[in-house]
Amino acid sequence: GQNIDQPTEMTATEGAIVQINCTYQTSGFNGLFWYQQHAGEAPTFLSYNVLDGLEEKGRFSSFLSRSKGYSYLLLKELQMKDSASYLCAVKDSNYQLIWGAGTKLIIKP
Amino acid sequence: DAMVIQNPRYQVTQFGKPVTLSCSQTLNHNVMYWYQQKSSQAPKLLFHYYDKDFNNEADTPDNFQSRRPNTSFCFLDIRSPGLGDAAMYLCATSGGRATDTQYFGPGTRLTVL
Repeated sequence: GQNIDQPTEMTATEGAIVQINCTYQTSGFNGLFWYQQHAGEAPTFLSYNVLDGLEEKGRFSSFLSRSKGYSYLLLKELQMKDSASYLCAVKDSNYQLIWGAGTKLIIKP
Repeated sequence: DAMVIQNPRYQVTQFGKPVTLSCSQTLNHNVMYWYQQKSSQAPKLLFHYYDKDFNNEADTPDNFQSRRPNTSFCFLDIRSPGLGDAAMYLCATSGGRATDTQYFGPGTRLTVL
């Protein structure tokens, strides 16, 4: 079966750095996506990785290792508005998006 | 701004009373998706259209139907909503099925009484 694993919940302090990990086992790989979802709202696209390495976008970076089936999302200089769920999703060989259940990130002052 | 719009944002219906949710997009994307998402769970794909080509997920109940009359609009019909169908319904679009990013509308929160 296909599987995406992420921690259920993480807590971090405003101004700090947090790393949210994602491991995946899918039939094929056509890219990995990170989305941010605030409570009661729709997911918004954050990043896309298809090759190994780090993609940086402002305060957010995403890393991929295809050989390890592993990705992480790194959030720097945390702000209160970063409190949200972060969903990892992988496109499999049929180009279907396989979703993780999301990591709820709680930011404390 | 190009976007994905869903109406209504909140829908309340009674058990067994049919309901239709709508989605429109100004992105001119070929692919439109409907997802169901329950609290603290991953979005679950119900079906998608690639242009007019309809693709139903194997485990999507027959109670859920969809229509795409043109490129811009897509509808989700729930023929006889049950209490278990209360959820957020998300519409998404992408330029192609391959590696293109999916962009989501704001969602419709469905309550079944």
